[in-house]
Amino acid sequence: QQKVQQSPESLIVPEGAMTSLNCTFSDSASQYFAWYRQHSGKAPKALMSIFSNGEKEEGRFTIHLNKASLHFSLHIRDSQPSDSALYLCAVSPNSGTYQRFGTGTKLQVVP
Amino acid sequence: EAAVTQSPRNKVAVTGGKVTLSCNQTNNHNNMYWYRQDTGHGLRLIHYSYGAGSTEKGDIPDGYKASRPSQENFSLILELATPSQTSVYFCASGEGQGAETLYFGSGTRLTVL
Repeated sequence: QQKVQQSPESLIVPEGAMTSLNCTFSDSASQYFAWYRQHSGKAPKALMSIFSNGEKEEGRFTIHLNKASLHFSLHIRDSQPSDSALYLCAVSPNSGTYQRFGTGTKLQVVP
Repeated sequence: EAAVTQSPRNKVAVTGGKVTLSCNQTNNHNNMYWYRQDTGHGLRLIHYSYGAGSTEKGDIPDGYKASRPSQENFSLILELATPSQTSVYFCASGEGQGAETLYFGSGTRLTVL
């Protein structure tokens, strides 16, 4: 069974800093990689996703994927207090039938 | 944006009782999913469905059944609820088969006493 793991478990960064979140997976044949953000007491909401190796940028958010290293990451530029949330990574296997989630990284951005 | 509605928002049940959690989506998505969220475990997949009449087991199906009577509705059924099933349950829908953006409902907080 594919394992999806996130690091760190929690993170505190100052406002304006660059934040980096990590996700590792165990199956190099996985085909879809996504990040979701969940504010306290709310539903998870999709942030970004990527299919192939490389980098994708949307506003302050950048996703990196390296399938050979079984690793992808989310980088948040100019972190804001409103970015404080639980960040969940998700991986879809080669069959593309569902998404399996990591345990999450709790991010706190302090003014 | 896709609309996924769950009911009830909160539920208290007794051990051994039957619990049904309901989910409705209005965006004609083929796929629907049930996850549970517990501290330290993230989101874990219970059951999913590719369309009306279909249900598939996820990673933690034991103690749960699912029903997809129509494109819009997907239910999660606990025939004999146990305290270990106390959790927050999220329903989600998506257009494609797994490799797609998931849209989540607001969740159901279930407490089994």
